[in-house]
Amino acid sequence: EVQLVESGGGWIQPGGSLRLSCAASGFIVSNNYMSWVRQAPGKGLEWVSVIYSDGSAYYAESVKGRFTISRDNSKNTLYIQMNSLRAEDTAVYYCTKEPDYWGQGTVVTVSS
Amino acid sequence: SYELTQPPSVSVSPGQTARITCSGDALPKTYAYWYQQMSGQAPVLVIYEDNKRPSGIPERFSGSSSGTMATLTISGAQVEDEADYYCYSTDSSYNHRRVFGGGTKLTVL
Repeated sequence: EVQLVESGGGWIQPGGSLRLSCAASGFIVSNNYMSWVRQAPGKGLEWVSVIYSDGSAYYAESVKGRFTISRDNSKNTLYIQMNSLRAEDTAVYYCTKEPDYWGQGTVVTVSS
Repeated sequence: SYELTQPPSVSVSPGQTARITCSGDALPKTYAYWYQQMSGQAPVLVIYEDNKRPSGIPERFSGSSSGTMATLTISGAQVEDEADYYCYSTDSSYNHRRVFGGGTKLTVL
């Protein structure tokens, strides 16, 4: 059974950094396209980043240069390193195995 | 930047057919996907590659795409189908980037 479990969310001050993790089971992360998607409170879904099976990575303009997606094949885990966080980064962050499986999300709150 | 446009809301009575549209200039060249999101829950894929239905999704859900518009159709909508629906695709100009439509709130009452 495919399962995705995010962790690492929390409250952080503007300008701070946070790393989210997504532990996967039931499939191999490195063989799949994996994305992060976020949802601000009361708002719609926003795609954030994708990493392909060949390791290439792409980002939404809103996070490019601040966020870095990566994976640890030995741990079958996806990550996103988020630097220079802003209030507008406040959201539920979902890890997804494209296009069909999503985790339950982890909440990131950026506030002073 | 590339955008997918959905109506903010659609309302039908139980048993009626609900149609949710998604327009985008790149849709003739890219697939559309549809997600259902119940309140407080993670999204669930209901249609992929324009018109394919994942296992476990009821047959009343179908998808189509023509030109710059994709459509999610729920034939005989049920009260339990009330949710937010999002279309999703790639930006053909920057085809590694993905984009979601703004979402459509489906009300069935």
